[in-house]
Amino acid sequence: GENVEQHPSTLSVQEGDSAVIKCTYSDSASNYFPWYKQELGKRPQLIIDIRSNVGEKKDQRIAVTLNKTAKHFSLHITETQPEDSAVYFCAAGNGGSQGNLIFGKGTKLSVKP
Amino acid sequence: ETGVTQTPRHLVMGMTNKKSLKCEQHLGHNAMYWYKQSAKKPLELMFVYNFKEQTENNSVPSRFSPECPNSSHLFLHLHTLQPEDSALYLCASSRLTSGSNEQYFGPGTRLTVT
Repeated sequence: GENVEQHPSTLSVQEGDSAVIKCTYSDSASNYFPWYKQELGKRPQLIIDIRSNVGEKKDQRIAVTLNKTAKHFSLHITETQPEDSAVYFCAAGNGGSQGNLIFGKGTKLSVKP
Repeated sequence: ETGVTQTPRHLVMGMTNKKSLKCEQHLGHNAMYWYKQSAKKPLELMFVYNFKEQTENNSVPSRFSPECPNSSHLFLHLHTLQPEDSALYLCASSRLTSGSNEQYFGPGTRLTVT
């Protein structure tokens, strides 16, 4: 089955700096890679996702890159703000009728003002 | 934030109790999921229902029993739980389409087993 590794487990950055979180996956059949943000005491919410037919996707200050050959994908947050502080989870899965997601262990991001 | 709702939000139960968690989605989705979230662990997928049919049971102990009477409702029946079952139980739903499986999560039920 699929196995997703996520690093680092904690990340502390100064406001305005960039943050990068990396994930690797094991199942070459996986073709859908979402990132979720979970603020303290709240539910996980999708912030960006990427499908295997593209290598990069951007949405304002966040971007995700995918390297299918190496089976890794990364989340990049630029110009970080204190409200970016949260736990971020990557996931990998097979979209469509077999759409189960396997999640990484999460990265606790702290943005210091 | 009302697309996926869960009740109760908090539950304290003894090891001999029987209780049920409820999840309801108002998004017209066709798949629903139960996850367990413990401290310092990844989200653990427990059960998956596609079109009301259970398609995944990730080696979950039988003291957890899911029920999906229709595509909008999902239950998790609990009995004779152990203290290590204390966790946040999250429900999610999605519309399974080609190439995507965006899952929407409920707020979770914080379960404490005493």
